Parts: sequence; C-alpha cells; structure tokens
Amino acid sequence: DIQMTQSPSSLSASVGDRVTITCRASQTINSYLNWYQQRPGRAPKLLIYAASSLHIEVPSRFSGSGYGTDFTLTISSLQPEDFATYYCQQTYSTLWTFGQGTRVEIK
Amino acid sequence: QITLKESGPTLVKPTQTLTLTCTFSGFSFSTSGVGVAWIRQPPGKALEWLALINWDDDKRYTPSLQSRLTITKDTSKKQVVLTMTNMGPVDTGTYFCARFDVLPSGSYCDHWGQGTLVTVSS
Repeated sequence: DIQMTQSPSSLSASVGDRVTITCRASQTINSYLNWYQQRPGRAPKLLIYAASSLHIEVPSRFSGSGYGTDFTLTISSLQPEDFATYYCQQTYSTLWTFGQGTRVEIK
Repeated sequence: QITLKESGPTLVKPTQTLTLTCTFSGFSFSTSGVGVAWIRQPPGKALEWLALINWDDDKRYTPSLQSRLTITKDTSKKQVVLTMTNMGPVDTGTYFCARFDVLPSGSYCDHWGQGTLVTVSS
C-alpha cells in the first residue's frame, strides 16, 4: 500500500491567517493527489485534484502544489467556514489511500 | 444533477454480513471512465477507502479487507452494492459512496452521498 502522512494532525488558526497543510506519500505518486474538506457531520467535499487543479466552485483562496512525494494545501486567508478537517488522497495506485486528516480549529 | 444515496441497516450484529446499496442519478455506467467507490469513517477517525468499481466492471479492494468485501453494480437500476462479511465492532462507522471519473490526470471523487451510519453491536 502507498501510505499517506499528513502534518500537522491539527492546528489552531485565526480568521485571516495563511494556513499550510502538508501530505507526504511513501512512494512517488506523480501528481495523483487530491484534497478534500470535511465539516462535522457532513460528507467530504473535493477541493483540489491532480495536486493543483481547483475543483469547480471552490474559492480561489485554496491552492495545492507538489509532485512526486511531497504536497501542500494552502488556504491564503482563512475564513470562518474553512474550520474543518482536510484529507489528502492518492489515486496513483488503483488501491487508493487517504491521509489521516488535519483538523483546522479556531484559535 | 448528480446525486448518490446510501441505504442499508443501521444496526448489525457481530459476525453478520452487511449489505449496503448506493443508488445514484445524473450519471450512468454506460459512460466510459465512470466509477463508484465506497469509503468509510469510524466515529472521530479518518476516511478509509474500501472498494471501487469501474464502468467496465473492473473492481478493486483495500488489501486489509479484500477477503470480506464484494462490490457489484446494476447498470439498469443505477445501483452499486457493497457486502462486507463477518462484521465486528471495529466496523462501526459511517459508510459513504462516491462517484469518480478515471482521467489521465487521475481519479477523484467529485460527488458523495450523505453517508449512512452502521453500528455493529449485539
């Protein structure tokens, strides 16, 4: 299996802060990396696909970068609705795996 | 408009078999490159991919649960069924189905069902 490791596991931030979450794959996955946002009690929502492509209707304050094994999700100016848990997912292998999640909390 | 909805029992006894159905609309398995995946989430824990099925009936399973899982599709009914045998308390969680496309840039789940909570308890 390809293991996906996110850091940090959680972070506290204020509205307006710039937030960066990292995701590392146990082997190269080229750019086959997706990011999802999950609010409590809700289904995950696709934010970024193919490492850096913004899904439709996702605000431009979200961006993704990386290639190979190291990836980042950046929120340029944190908004109240962004407090949630974020997951990375690799689909390089036909056996998908998710990261363990990063919880973004209000400071 | 694409929608997916999971259905099945909310309570299962240990050792029983779980059968979940994902009923969808707005897309079809007749379209090349389409697929449906199952993902679960224990309470307070991370997402875990379980299985997927493609438009061409290609099926994949997470290795740790492969012996317990079966995924099938009914193209005419627009349903995907997941069965999981020998259920135990650790299988308690919310089970999601999600639609994905298989593209050169990779696959991604762009539409999700609301999820269904399954509790395993005697």
